[in-house]
Parts: sequence; C-alpha cells; structure tokens
Amino acid sequence: DAGVIQSPRHEVTEMGQEVTLRCKPISGHNSLFWYRQTMMRGLELLIYFNNNVPIDDSGMPEDRFSAKMPNASFSTLKIQPSEPRDSAVYFCASSPTGMNTGELFFGEGSRLTVL
Amino acid sequence: DAKTTQPPSMDCAEGRAANLPCNHSTISGNEYVYWYRQIHSQGPQYIIHGLKNNETNEMASLIITEDRKSSTLILPHATLRDTAVYYCIVRVFHNAGNMLTFGGGTRLMVKP
Repeated sequence: DAGVIQSPRHEVTEMGQEVTLRCKPISGHNSLFWYRQTMMRGLELLIYFNNNVPIDDSGMPEDRFSAKMPNASFSTLKIQPSEPRDSAVYFCASSPTGMNTGELFFGEGSRLTVL
Repeated sequence: DAKTTQPPSMDCAEGRAANLPCNHSTISGNEYVYWYRQIHSQGPQYIIHGLKNNETNEMASLIITEDRKSSTLILPHATLRDTAVYYCIVRVFHNAGNMLTFGGGTRLMVKP
C-alpha cells in the first residue's frame, strides 16, 4: 500500500494567495484527519471526517480555512487568503473505523511557507 | 480526554533500554493509552496502545500501572534511529474514528 499521499510536499506562496493542500487516504480507511504543526503550538487537529462527512471542525482556525472530502479517496484543505502565520507543516492522516487498533496513518506532510 | 504529563527530554545510550514515562492520573476507566513517535520531518507514527494490560509488539512494550495512573513505554534496545519525539495520548476509543490530541511529548535522544 502506498500509504497516505499528500501534495504538494512544499509550497511557498505570498500573503493573500490561495493555497490548496491535497490528501489521498489509504484505500478502505473511513476516517480522515487534518493536522497542523508549528514550533509554537505543536500538533493541532484542524478537522476530522468520517465516511466523507465532517465530524469535528472545531480546530479550524478561522473562516479562511476550509476542508472538503468529495469522495472516499480525496480531501482538500484550502486557505484563502493565506497569511504568514499560516506557515506550518500540514499533515493528513487516515484510519480504519470499527477496529480498535488506535492507529492513525500519517502522510509525510505539506510544508507551507507564506511570505 | 485525560491530560498527560511527560518529561520534555531524555537521553539514552545506544543499545540500552529506553524507558519513557507518562503520567495520566485523571484517566477514566474507558480511556486507552496510545503512544506515537515523530522522527524529524516525518509524520507521527503509531507505536502501541493499551487499556489495562501490558502490551508488547515488534516496536516496543507498554507497561501500565495497576491503578492506570501512569505508564511506561520501553524500547528494549534503542538505536540511533529511535531518536524522535514520543507522544503519550489518552483517549476513549470511538468506533467512528479516533481523534487524537497530541501534547508536547518527550524528545528522546539516543547517543552512540
């Protein structure tokens, strides 16, 4: 299995631009998570989907952030407009549901730099 | 979810056992203890989890005290590749997916 696939791996953009991060979960996994990691705040959960439906988006910082999961094999996290404080590594993770393995499978992350 | 407390950093000699403690004194009866680690620049990686009994897998052993207020992750023969941040997380298992909250973790440095 290829694991969780994220793109782009690195993105450098200017303040005010729209940023779209993409994630392909592991086939057959029903839950998908978006995390953000910074030195100051550590790993923060932004939003979580189960069966393509957003379950908890309380971690989404503000209206500039939005996430979608149009089907079981694809999710996007969009920031519009981007700001320098959005610079972080964004991780996507997936997990199977109904099985108490407790295991989230993380992608390699998308490193975003907003100038 | 119960709060966890971990030392911010630890050192371990290569080849020796690394014992990483975690305090979770407010844990409730249906909360599991999960351990993850994050090697530099990579996504977190699941290691092990348990409820009451001690657990062992190919990566590590998890020792949970009888009162469940603390646990220890044991890497029996640490290697340089085990240098990472180790996270202890306490969470109720949800059939609809496990939303895990990561704290500060312990930065383990394995030294030659």
